[in-house]
Amino acid sequence: SQELEQSPQSLIVQEGKNLTINCTSSKTLYGLYWYKQKYGEGLIFLMMLQKGGEEKSHEKITAKLDEKKQQSSLHITASQPSHAGIYLCGADAGGTSYGKLTFGQGTILTVHP
Amino acid sequence: KAGVTQTPRYLIKTRGQQVTLSCSPISGHRSVSWYQQTPGQGLQFLFEYFSETQRNKGNFPGRFSGRQFSNSRSEMNVSTLELGDSALYLCASKGMGTNTEAFFGQGTRLTVV
Repeated sequence: SQELEQSPQSLIVQEGKNLTINCTSSKTLYGLYWYKQKYGEGLIFLMMLQKGGEEKSHEKITAKLDEKKQQSSLHITASQPSHAGIYLCGADAGGTSYGKLTFGQGTILTVHP
Repeated sequence: KAGVTQTPRYLIKTRGQQVTLSCSPISGHRSVSWYQQTPGQGLQFLFEYFSETQRNKGNFPGRFSGRQFSNSRSEMNVSTLELGDSALYLCASKGMGTNTEAFFGQGTRLTVV
């Protein structure tokens, strides 16, 4: 079965600093999703990547999928307290894994003003 | 466009009881997946429904069941509740196609006492 490992597990940064969260898969990624979650709440969709080398940006968040489609990174530029939360990567295994996303354990981001 | 709606947001049940959770997907989405999130296990896939048919199922006991109606709304049921069933239950809806965006609801927080 597919496994996703996120690093780091937690991150504390000062407001205005840049940061990167990584997500590494044990198998080829057919679809890689990034979500943000506030504790106890639902997952907020950030981005989905499918193609090797693909890069997407939304506001100050950029996500990339490497050429081999086994690793993705999420980069936040000039972090703000509103960026704080849990970031989760989820993978679609493709084939007959209908609707099933496998998630990493999450990265807890704290941004100090 | 309305998002994914889960009801109720919070539930407290007693061991041995049963519970039904509801999920209304985004209009036009026919795939609904259910996940259980706990601090120890993270996000785990329960099952997925598409056009009233269960297409995929995770590794959960038979006490966990679900169904989907013709309007794509889905319910999940947990019978004979155990303390370990306390969790945040999330549903996700997806549009047509294998690699489409998956949007999550706010979740239902179930506490079993």
